Amino acid sequence: GQNIDQPTEMTATEGAIVQINCTYQTSGFNGLFWYQQHAGEAPTFLSYNVLDGLEEKGRFSSFLSRSKGYSYLLLKELQMKDSASYLCAVLDSNYQLIWGAGTKLIIKP
Amino acid sequence: GAVVSQHPSRVICKSGTSVKIECRSLDFQATTMFWYRQFPKQSLMLMATSNEGSKATYEQGVEKDKFLINHASLTLSTLTVTSAHPEDSSFYICSAREPGGGSEPYEQYFGPGTRLTVT
Repeated sequence: GQNIDQPTEMTATEGAIVQINCTYQTSGFNGLFWYQQHAGEAPTFLSYNVLDGLEEKGRFSSFLSRSKGYSYLLLKELQMKDSASYLCAVLDSNYQLIWGAGTKLIIKP
Repeated sequence: GAVVSQHPSRVICKSGTSVKIECRSLDFQATTMFWYRQFPKQSLMLMATSNEGSKATYEQGVEKDKFLINHASLTLSTLTVTSAHPEDSSFYICSAREPGGGSEPYEQYFGPGTRLTVT
């Protein structure tokens, strides 16, 4: 079966760095997405990785290792507004998005 | 970037009635739209994939006669929850994929969601 694992909840301090991990086992791979979702709102796109390596976008970076079936989202200089759920999703061989359960990130002052 | 709207944002209805939710792509033509449901503190669950001009493809366990999907044009898809029951109360989100991939291949642009409460 297809499976995406990410931690249920993480807590970090304002101004710090946090890394949210995602491991996946899917039928085929055509890229991995990270989305941010604030409570009661729809997800918003953060990043897309299809090749191994690190993609940096401002305070957010995303890493992918296809051989290990592993990705992480790195958030630097955390702000209170970064409190949200972070969803990992993999595009499988049918170009269908397979979603992880999401990681709720709690930022403390 | 591409914008997807959804209407209504919130709806409360009585058990047994039907509710229609609209999803529109505002500045692009979407040949494929997706309908998701999300229960509190859970991830998105894909209900169905809607292709313009053809029947929707429903995920396993989703009743096609209960959740009617119509993708009548390249900018509009509708989800009708028929004979709604309290257990249908959820956050319904649509998304659309831009032909050619948009800024990222196969990126989905999400509508703001519709919170349905069935009393």
